[in-house]
Amino acid sequence: DAGVTQSPTHLIKTRGQQVTLRCSPKSGHDTVSWYQQALGQGPQFIFQYYEEEERQRGNFPDRFSGHQFPNYSSELNVNALLLGDSALYLCASSIRQGIGANEKLFFGSGTQLSVL
Amino acid sequence: KNEVEQSPQNLTAQEGEFITINCSYSVGISALHWLQQHPGGGIVSLFMLSSGKKKHGRLIATINIQEKHSSLHITASHPRDSAVYICAAEYGQNFVFGPGTRLSVLP
Repeated sequence: DAGVTQSPTHLIKTRGQQVTLRCSPKSGHDTVSWYQQALGQGPQFIFQYYEEEERQRGNFPDRFSGHQFPNYSSELNVNALLLGDSALYLCASSIRQGIGANEKLFFGSGTQLSVL
Repeated sequence: KNEVEQSPQNLTAQEGEFITINCSYSVGISALHWLQQHPGGGIVSLFMLSSGKKKHGRLIATINIQEKHSSLHITASHPRDSAVYICAAEYGQNFVFGPGTRLSVLP
Protein backbone atom coordinates (compact mmCIF):
# COMPACT_ATOMS: atom_id res chain seq x y z
CA ASP A 1 0.00 0.00 0.00
CA ALA A 2 1.69 3.17 -1.17
CA GLY A 3 1.62 6.04 1.24
CA VAL A 4 1.40 9.65 0.18
CA THR A 5 3.53 10.30 -2.89
CA GLN A 6 4.67 13.66 -4.15
CA SER A 7 6.37 14.71 -7.35
CA PRO A 8 8.81 16.03 -8.25
CA THR A 9 11.15 15.67 -5.27
CA HIS A 10 13.21 18.70 -6.24
CA LEU A 11 12.51 21.62 -8.53
CA ILE A 12 14.43 24.73 -9.52
CA LYS A 13 12.60 27.71 -11.02
CA THR A 14 13.31 31.37 -11.64
CA ARG A 15 11.38 34.39 -10.42
CA GLY A 16 8.14 35.01 -12.28
CA GLN A 17 7.75 31.43 -13.46
CA GLN A 18 4.87 29.15 -12.60
CA VAL A 19 5.12 25.74 -10.93
CA THR A 20 2.84 22.75 -10.45
CA LEU A 21 3.41 20.23 -7.68
CA ARG A 22 1.57 16.92 -7.48
CA CYS A 23 0.34 14.70 -4.66
CA SER A 24 -1.28 11.29 -4.58
CA PRO A 25 -2.96 10.50 -1.26
CA LYS A 26 -2.69 7.31 0.71
CA SER A 27 -5.07 4.64 -0.52
CA GLY A 28 -8.50 5.15 1.01
CA HIS A 29 -7.93 8.80 1.89
CA ASP A 30 -10.14 11.48 0.40
CA THR A 31 -8.73 14.70 1.83
CA VAL A 32 -5.50 16.41 0.81
CA SER A 33 -3.82 19.29 2.61
CA TRP A 34 -0.84 21.31 1.40
CA TYR A 35 1.80 22.95 3.59
CA GLN A 36 4.78 25.21 3.03
CA GLN A 37 7.80 24.70 5.26
CA ALA A 38 10.60 27.26 5.17
CA LEU A 39 14.01 26.17 6.37
CA GLY A 40 14.13 25.86 10.15
CA GLN A 41 10.43 26.55 10.64
CA GLY A 42 7.30 24.52 11.18
CA PRO A 43 4.92 23.85 8.28
CA GLN A 44 2.42 26.54 7.38
CA PHE A 45 -1.04 25.46 6.22
CA ILE A 46 -1.82 26.51 2.64
CA PHE A 47 -5.18 24.89 1.91
CA GLN A 48 -7.18 21.70 2.08
CA TYR A 49 -9.16 19.92 -0.63
CA TYR A 50 -12.09 17.58 -0.19
CA GLU A 51 -14.60 16.47 -2.81
CA GLU A 52 -12.65 18.43 -5.42
CA GLU A 53 -13.23 21.73 -3.62
CA GLU A 54 -11.03 23.96 -1.52
CA ARG A 55 -12.50 23.67 1.97
CA GLN A 56 -10.12 25.69 4.10
CA ARG A 57 -7.34 28.13 3.33
CA GLY A 58 -4.43 29.52 5.29
CA ASN A 59 -2.89 32.95 4.95
CA PHE A 60 -1.49 32.59 1.42
CA PRO A 61 -2.05 34.88 -1.58
CA ASP A 62 -4.12 33.98 -4.60
CA ARG A 63 -0.90 33.10 -6.45
CA PHE A 64 -1.26 29.79 -4.64
CA SER A 65 -4.04 27.71 -6.11
CA GLY A 66 -4.91 24.07 -6.20
CA HIS A 67 -7.03 21.37 -7.62
CA GLN A 68 -8.29 17.97 -6.58
CA PHE A 69 -9.17 15.30 -9.10
CA PRO A 70 -11.89 12.64 -8.90
CA ASN A 71 -9.27 10.06 -7.88
CA TYR A 72 -8.44 12.34 -4.87
CA SER A 73 -4.99 13.28 -6.15
CA SER A 74 -4.17 16.95 -5.97
CA GLU A 75 -2.05 19.67 -7.53
CA LEU A 76 -0.61 22.81 -6.02
CA ASN A 77 0.03 25.65 -8.46
CA VAL A 78 2.09 28.72 -7.67
CA ASN A 79 2.14 31.61 -10.16
CA ALA A 80 4.56 34.50 -10.46
CA LEU A 81 7.14 32.84 -8.26
CA LEU A 82 9.05 34.94 -5.74
CA LEU A 83 12.36 34.18 -4.09
CA GLY A 84 10.48 33.81 -0.81
CA ASP A 85 8.49 30.91 -2.23
CA SER A 86 11.58 28.73 -1.90
CA ALA A 87 10.60 26.07 0.63
CA LEU A 88 9.69 22.45 1.16
CA TYR A 89 6.10 21.85 0.06
CA LEU A 90 4.43 19.04 1.93
CA CYS A 91 1.24 17.21 1.13
CA ALA A 92 -0.74 15.31 3.74
CA SER A 93 -3.74 13.07 3.28
CA SER A 94 -6.43 11.98 5.67
CA ILE A 95 -10.02 10.79 5.85
CA ARG A 96 -12.47 13.56 6.48
CA GLN A 97 -14.83 12.83 9.33
CA GLY A 98 -17.26 15.67 8.88
CA ILE A 99 -17.25 18.11 11.72
CA GLY A 100 -14.47 17.24 14.14
CA ALA A 101 -10.96 15.91 14.11
CA ASN A 102 -9.16 14.27 11.25
CA GLU A 103 -7.48 10.96 11.73
CA LYS A 104 -3.72 10.91 11.96
CA LEU A 105 -2.17 12.74 9.07
CA PHE A 106 0.01 10.94 6.58
CA PHE A 107 2.63 13.11 4.93
CA GLY A 108 4.50 12.80 1.69
CA SER A 109 8.25 13.38 1.56
CA GLY A 110 7.75 16.80 0.06
CA THR A 111 8.90 18.76 -2.95
CA GLN A 112 11.89 21.02 -2.38
CA LEU A 113 11.32 24.15 -4.48
CA SER A 114 14.16 26.56 -5.09
CA VAL A 115 13.39 29.89 -6.76
CA LEU A 116 16.44 31.66 -8.20
CA LYS B 1 -5.15 34.37 16.92
CA ASN B 2 -4.31 30.67 16.93
CA GLU B 3 -0.73 30.15 18.05
CA VAL B 4 1.24 27.06 18.97
CA GLU B 5 4.39 27.23 21.04
CA GLN B 6 6.92 24.53 21.81
CA SER B 7 9.73 24.17 24.30
CA PRO B 8 12.55 23.62 24.30
CA GLN B 9 13.59 24.77 20.85
CA ASN B 10 16.64 22.51 20.91
CA LEU B 11 17.41 19.54 23.14
CA THR B 12 20.50 17.37 23.45
CA ALA B 13 20.30 14.23 25.54
CA GLN B 14 22.43 11.20 26.29
CA GLU B 15 21.20 7.80 25.17
CA GLY B 16 18.85 6.32 27.76
CA GLU B 17 17.60 9.63 29.15
CA PHE B 18 13.92 10.43 29.63
CA ILE B 19 12.87 13.29 27.37
CA THR B 20 9.94 15.68 27.56
CA ILE B 21 8.87 18.12 24.87
CA ASN B 22 6.12 20.62 25.63
CA CYS B 23 3.46 22.24 23.48
CA SER B 24 0.96 24.94 24.32
CA TYR B 25 -1.79 26.41 22.21
CA SER B 26 -3.84 29.53 22.54
CA VAL B 27 -7.48 28.64 21.92
CA GLY B 28 -9.73 25.60 21.90
CA ILE B 29 -8.85 22.84 19.49
CA SER B 30 -10.51 19.74 18.09
CA ALA B 31 -7.30 17.68 18.30
CA LEU B 32 -3.56 17.93 18.89
CA HIS B 33 -1.09 16.07 16.68
CA TRP B 34 2.52 15.15 17.40
CA LEU B 35 4.73 14.71 14.35
CA GLN B 36 8.31 13.55 13.81
CA GLN B 37 10.38 15.01 10.99
CA HIS B 38 13.70 13.49 9.98
CA PRO B 39 16.41 15.26 7.97
CA GLY B 40 15.33 15.39 4.34
CA GLY B 41 11.80 16.37 5.21
CA GLY B 42 9.84 13.17 5.74
CA ILE B 43 7.16 13.64 8.39
CA VAL B 44 5.62 10.83 10.39
CA SER B 45 2.49 11.30 12.43
CA LEU B 46 3.07 9.95 15.94
CA PHE B 47 -0.13 10.71 17.81
CA MET B 48 -3.47 12.40 17.50
CA LEU B 49 -4.96 13.41 20.86
CA SER B 50 -8.23 15.00 21.85
CA SER B 51 -8.01 14.08 25.55
CA GLY B 52 -6.01 12.11 28.07
CA LYS B 53 -2.97 10.09 27.18
CA LYS B 54 -1.71 7.78 24.45
CA LYS B 55 1.27 5.41 24.42
CA HIS B 56 3.10 3.75 21.56
CA GLY B 57 6.26 1.88 22.38
CA ARG B 58 8.65 4.27 24.11
CA LEU B 59 6.57 7.30 23.21
CA ILE B 60 3.87 8.78 25.44
CA ALA B 61 1.72 11.80 24.64
CA THR B 62 -0.53 13.61 27.08
CA ILE B 63 -2.89 16.52 26.77
CA ASN B 64 -4.54 18.80 29.32
CA ILE B 65 -7.47 20.51 27.65
CA GLN B 66 -8.12 22.94 30.50
CA GLU B 67 -4.50 24.14 30.53
CA LYS B 68 -4.20 24.04 26.71
CA HIS B 69 -1.00 22.05 27.04
CA SER B 70 0.39 18.80 25.66
CA SER B 71 3.60 16.89 26.30
CA LEU B 72 5.50 14.27 24.34
CA HIS B 73 7.69 11.95 26.40
CA ILE B 74 10.36 9.58 25.14
CA THR B 75 11.55 6.91 27.53
CA ALA B 76 14.97 5.25 27.19
CA SER B 77 15.94 7.60 24.37
CA HIS B 78 18.07 6.30 21.52
CA PRO B 79 20.16 8.05 18.84
CA ARG B 80 17.59 7.03 16.23
CA ASP B 81 15.09 9.26 18.05
CA SER B 82 17.09 12.26 16.83
CA ALA B 83 14.68 14.34 14.76
CA VAL B 84 12.53 17.44 14.87
CA TYR B 85 9.33 16.96 16.84
CA ILE B 86 6.42 19.17 15.85
CA CYS B 87 3.08 19.63 17.51
CA ALA B 88 0.14 20.72 15.41
CA ALA B 89 -3.15 22.05 16.73
CA GLU B 90 -6.20 21.17 14.71
CA TYR B 91 -8.98 23.74 14.52
CA GLY B 92 -11.83 22.27 12.53
CA GLN B 93 -10.18 21.45 9.23
CA ASN B 94 -7.26 23.86 9.71
CA PHE B 95 -3.91 23.08 11.30
CA VAL B 96 -1.50 25.40 13.06
CA PHE B 97 1.98 24.00 13.56
CA GLY B 98 4.48 24.74 16.26
CA PRO B 99 8.04 25.69 15.29
CA GLY B 100 9.40 22.27 16.23
CA THR B 101 11.85 20.95 18.81
CA ARG B 102 15.16 19.68 17.47
CA LEU B 103 16.22 16.63 19.48
CA SER B 104 19.70 15.13 19.32
CA VAL B 105 20.35 11.94 21.28
CA LEU B 106 24.02 11.18 21.69
CA PRO B 107 25.34 7.63 22.03
